[in-house]
Parts: sequence; C-alpha cells; structure tokens
Amino acid sequence: DAKTTQPTSMDCAEGRAANLPCNHSTISGNEYVYWYRQIHSQGPQYIIHGLKNNETNEMASLIITEDRKSSTLILPHATLRDTAVYYCIALSNAGGTSYGKLTFGQGTILTVHP
Amino acid sequence: NAGVMQNPRHLVRRRGQEARLRCSPMKGHSHVYWYRQLPEEGLKFMVYLQKENIIDESGMPKERFSAEFPKEGPSILRIQQVVRGDSAAYFCASSRDRGNIQYFGAGTRLSVL
Repeated sequence: DAKTTQPTSMDCAEGRAANLPCNHSTISGNEYVYWYRQIHSQGPQYIIHGLKNNETNEMASLIITEDRKSSTLILPHATLRDTAVYYCIALSNAGGTSYGKLTFGQGTILTVHP
Repeated sequence: NAGVMQNPRHLVRRRGQEARLRCSPMKGHSHVYWYRQLPEEGLKFMVYLQKENIIDESGMPKERFSAEFPKEGPSILRIQQVVRGDSAAYFCASSRDRGNIQYFGAGTRLSVL
C-alpha cells in the first residue's frame, strides 16, 4: 500500500499560490490521492481527490503526474485562514489495507503570512 | 444537509469511569469511521463500521475499547475504565460508500483526570 511523503513545513505569502507537493511512488492503480487539512485542532476537512487526471474545485487544484508517482495541491490565492496541516493520503476504493481507511502521516504545516 | 455530528464536544472523566462518545453520520451515509488524535500526535484510524457491522477494527486497542453502529441511532465509541493515556481528541467520519470521501465531525475532546 502506498505511503506518501510530504515536506514538514512550508511558508506562503498571503494572496500568492501555495503549491504543496506529495510523493507517492508506490501508489497502486486503484488508489486515489486524497488531500485533507486540519486547521488547529478542528476536524480534518476534505479538500480534493483524484486518480490520474488533474482536478479542480472551489477550494483547490490537484495536479497528478502522468506516472502517478507524485502530485501537487495548489491553493491559488492563499489566505491567512489557509494556515493548517495538509495531508496527502492514498485511499483505495477496491481492496487492500488502504480500502476505506485513511492513513494520516505527519503532513505539511503550511503557514500563510501577511 | 447537516454534517457529521459528534457529542459531547468535551468530556471529562475520572480514572476508572466509562466514556461514551456519539457520532451521527451525514444524511445518506451508512459508513462510519473513528480516529484518535493523541496530544501532539497525528490522527490514527481506530475502527470502521457499517450499519450493525464492524468491518475493520485493526486500530482499536485490544482492551476497554468497543464500538457499535446500531440500525437506529448514532454510532457509539465506548471506553471502559478510562486511564490518563486515553485523553485525546476522537474524531468520527462518515461516507456514502467504502472508499468514498470521508467527512469529519468536529471531534470529542476527552480529558481523564
């Protein structure tokens, strides 16, 4: 089952794009890449997910490389309220130990500053 | 459409007491997951339930912890004879199907005195 690796921390200026990378070189064909974030001690918040095509929603964009070994979450115009821990997680929808079970790593602490 | 509801938000128990944490999934969701976040640590999966069935309890401590999701009513995470090490934030999530987006509640903060 895929493990993901992310940088421990990143900084971003308010109003600029935040690009958060994630490596998942052992991801299997039925594992989606999910992104969640946790603001302070709140419950994790779903952001976006994808399998192999790039995805965009009202919160963010997800760029997945063609070989699916890495991805980047893009927050196009970061605000102070985007300061949080961001988690990249591989989740299977068809079997394996990641089937229906989110495995949270250490994530990336994103700090947005004025 | 109401989100995942957890109660209580804060729970204080003395050592040896029982703690009951409740989780009502989003409307239309029949899959419930419990996660625990110990102080200064990451979120860890505990158990996954579908109505009346425990599907995966690989993350549950072997003793004192149990979970249920009855046909009617919320899912319950029960901790018997609590100890100080049980102090943590307990989060519940729900999804429409297994392997789909999981939406989280605000959590229950358990403090054991």
